[in-house]
Amino acid sequence: DAGVTQSPTHLIKTRGQQVTLRCSPKSGHDTVSWYQQALGQGPQFIFQYYEEEERQRGNFPDRFSGHQFPNYSSELNVNALLLGDSALYLCASSFRQYNEQFFGPGTRLTVL
Amino acid sequence: AQKITQTQPGMFVQEKEAVTLDCTYDTSDPSYGLFWYKQPSSGEMIFLIYQGSYDQQNATEGRYSLNFQKARKSANLVISASQLGDSAMYFCAMRGRIQGAQKLVFGQGTRLTINP
Repeated sequence: DAGVTQSPTHLIKTRGQQVTLRCSPKSGHDTVSWYQQALGQGPQFIFQYYEEEERQRGNFPDRFSGHQFPNYSSELNVNALLLGDSALYLCASSFRQYNEQFFGPGTRLTVL
Repeated sequence: AQKITQTQPGMFVQEKEAVTLDCTYDTSDPSYGLFWYKQPSSGEMIFLIYQGSYDQQNATEGRYSLNFQKARKSANLVISASQLGDSAMYFCAMRGRIQGAQKLVFGQGTRLTINP
């Protein structure tokens, strides 16, 4: 049974560029949440997608956007990258919105 | 608003000893869940244990137990008979049932190092 998968593993971008991160949920899960974890910090909630809609959003600017596809996979898009966007981006999936969340290995984004 | 506080940036413990990682929380939600996750250097968050705010007994999962003291708003993780593989970052997290029920709120984490 495949767990949560994320791609790519690592990514290097320059300021001002745009990036897309991808997440495939655990088999049987229909909800995807995204978190940003800066170095030395705990993860911060970005947003959650369920039934292809953004259901809740954390304190992140509109430069952060997402999408969920009919197969429940999800993308996180970040526009106009800033140095401060450098972080580990974690995807978590669950069955419905309020159940236990299982995390993927993360995508480490470096903005130069 | 919900808040998690972990006051131990780092802990060093001898192998086979028990260790307690501290976690205090604050929330106005009358019903909530408390979680502990382990994060090895690989980055993946591994779920360890869960405690519901209305659970009568403290949660236990193998070598992990959660010392839940509701009046003190604390949810400490106890690892018995520590092993070298327990060396990792540990995060306490909570999720309300009403306000912001979809998201986990994490603390700053504690880096646990097990010495042989």
